[in-house]
Amino acid sequence: QSVLTQPPSASGTPGQRVTISCSGSSSNIGSNTVNWYQQLPGTAPKLLIYSNNQRPSGVPDRFSGSKSGTSASLAISGLQSEDEADYYCAAWDDSLNGHVVFGGGTKLTVL
Amino acid sequence: QITLKESGPTLVKPTQTLTLTCTFSGFSLSTSGVGVGWIRQPPGKALEWLALIYWNDDKRYSPSLKSRLTITKDTSKNQVVLTMTNMDPVDTATYYCAHLETVNLDYWGQGTLVTVSS
Repeated sequence: QSVLTQPPSASGTPGQRVTISCSGSSSNIGSNTVNWYQQLPGTAPKLLIYSNNQRPSGVPDRFSGSKSGTSASLAISGLQSEDEADYYCAAWDDSLNGHVVFGGGTKLTVL
Repeated sequence: QITLKESGPTLVKPTQTLTLTCTFSGFSLSTSGVGVGWIRQPPGKALEWLALIYWNDDKRYSPSLKSRLTITKDTSKNQVVLTMTNMDPVDTATYYCAHLETVNLDYWGQGTLVTVSS
């Protein structure tokens, strides 16, 4: 049972806009920034979004992040077949001496 | 260019202690704000954060696994070591280490699969 809650699956057709939600609490998302990771099949996770809405160099601007209260969202516009992957949110949690918490992951299927 | 690589046994027996080494290049663990974290992923399951160590030797552990984990660093060798005691088949997973910039795990190793079986 992950501390951050994500829908297990999402889907869309090429060109569509898809959003993935991530729900937490006051000790994690409510008081810290959110990161998003993309994990393509058989590969290590890759940082996609950091500090709620910042993209590392090389990440297309089709990917965007937002946060409101104790929830965050990842949006992917202009969906492409290569976006089919697992997506994880993560945040620092201030409880119990501080630690990182991940969401359960969302498998995105491009139809 | 930042790179990290995990190494250690691919198979351990139940009750044994697992020792994993993360060898990195392209950064120094003596630089303020920098750290190395460990994350694991059981086959077909979600990521689970395990532990991290910062440049100043500040260490944080997953609350649920804290009693079994120890993380240390050797700055001169550019290595971070994670030990996990009393291994169980449910600990079978791919174990990743990652570079940490404040709280962002921005560079990851390729991961190493550890199987726990007698």
